[in-house]
Amino acid sequence: NAGVTQTPKFRILKIGQSMTLQCTQDMNHNYMYWYRQDPGMGLKLIYYSVGAGITDKGEVPNGYNVSRSTTEDFPLRLELAAPSQTSVYFCASSDGTRSGYTFGSGTRLTVV
Amino acid sequence: AQTVTQSQPEMSVQEAETVTLSCTYDTSESNYYLFWYKQPPSRQMILVIRQEAYKQQNATENRFSVNFQKAAKSFSLKISDSQLGDTAMYFCAFMKHLNTDKLIFGTGTRLQVFP
Repeated sequence: NAGVTQTPKFRILKIGQSMTLQCTQDMNHNYMYWYRQDPGMGLKLIYYSVGAGITDKGEVPNGYNVSRSTTEDFPLRLELAAPSQTSVYFCASSDGTRSGYTFGSGTRLTVV
Repeated sequence: AQTVTQSQPEMSVQEAETVTLSCTYDTSESNYYLFWYKQPPSRQMILVIRQEAYKQQNATENRFSVNFQKAAKSFSLKISDSQLGDTAMYFCAFMKHLNTDKLIFGTGTRLQVFP
């Protein structure tokens, strides 16, 4: 049982480049989330989804886009990378039973 | 809006001793959920313990226990018999009783366990 899989684990981007962070879960969870963790800080919610075809903004959505075409996948798109987007990105999923999240292992992104 | 505050950026404890990490939160909800997550240097987020607000009994998981004071909006984590493997960042988190299950995190406490 893989849980939540994030790829890539590390990436360096140049300013203005674009990329997609991939997130896949195999637990049939309806709820999926993207968080970012800046150095020395807690996690802040970027976007979330309550099911296939449904997404909504979190606390810090600017500069990002998401889609949820299937229950399993929840990719995060950065269109024009900026240094302020240097962070560690976590994808998570839950089954809505308040048991907490299952987190991926994170993607460390550096924008230079 | 809900907020979660962890006022101790760093803590240290000697192996086998007990340490308590503090967390306070602000909400107008009467029913909600509180969590402690551990983030070791591997970066993985690991659920340590969960508390439902409607339960008066404090949650315990082996060496980990909480002191949940609903009226004071306080949710501290006690680690007994500290082990070197407990060295990590610890995050307190709040979840409102809604279908979206969004977690709101504090800024974390870095715990160092010394031999």
